[in-house]
Amino acid sequence: QVTLKESGPALVKPTQTLTLTCTLSGFSLSISGMRVSWIRQPPGRALEWLARIDWDDDEFYNTSLNTRLTISKDTSKNQVVLTMTNMDPVDTATYYCARSELGIGAFDYWGQGTLVTVSS
Amino acid sequence: AIQMTQSPSSLSASVGDRVTITCRASQGIKNDLSWYQQKPGKAPKLLIYAASSLQSGVPSRFSGSGSGTDFTLTISSLQPEDFATYYCLQDYNSYSFGQGTKLEIK
Repeated sequence: QVTLKESGPALVKPTQTLTLTCTLSGFSLSISGMRVSWIRQPPGRALEWLARIDWDDDEFYNTSLNTRLTISKDTSKNQVVLTMTNMDPVDTATYYCARSELGIGAFDYWGQGTLVTVSS
Repeated sequence: AIQMTQSPSSLSASVGDRVTITCRASQGIKNDLSWYQQKPGKAPKLLIYAASSLQSGVPSRFSGSGSGTDFTLTISSLQPEDFATYYCLQDYNSYSFGQGTKLEIK
């Protein structure tokens, strides 16, 4: 059974760096074709794709945020980590990780999401 | 960046109605489009991928069509559990979501 689960702080202060972890189960990011993305959703608003990492270590970023984002993976722990620097209250959102596969761009499995609030 | 414009932004309908939601891309995206259903407090759920392929386990009352710039999601006969917000997503060039369509009970 494929599952993804996000973890990280519920509250961060402005200017701080956010670190979120996505723990994968039922599949491995070491398998050819596997991809994991981070997506966020501010309260009451639409979804926004942030970043993706592939089985072969390729990384892709939302161009409007790429100077603040870093995505990485630890295959031995079956985890994907997203860091976002210089957090601002507008970054308050539910952050999701989701799986996709080469050749099928859609996100077929999603984590439950984790709400991050940016406030002093 | 490719912009995805969904319409309508909200829609009121009754159980049993046929409903269509549209998504227009700012440039051609072939068939690299998927549709998601999201209920309050829950993660999005994949319904349709590659514009018209039904995800496993999704009821057949959901269907998708289109290619290039214009796409539709159709629900043939609304069920009570279908009242939710729907999003399109293009993955032709990076990723961008539509702004969502909230489907409410009339």
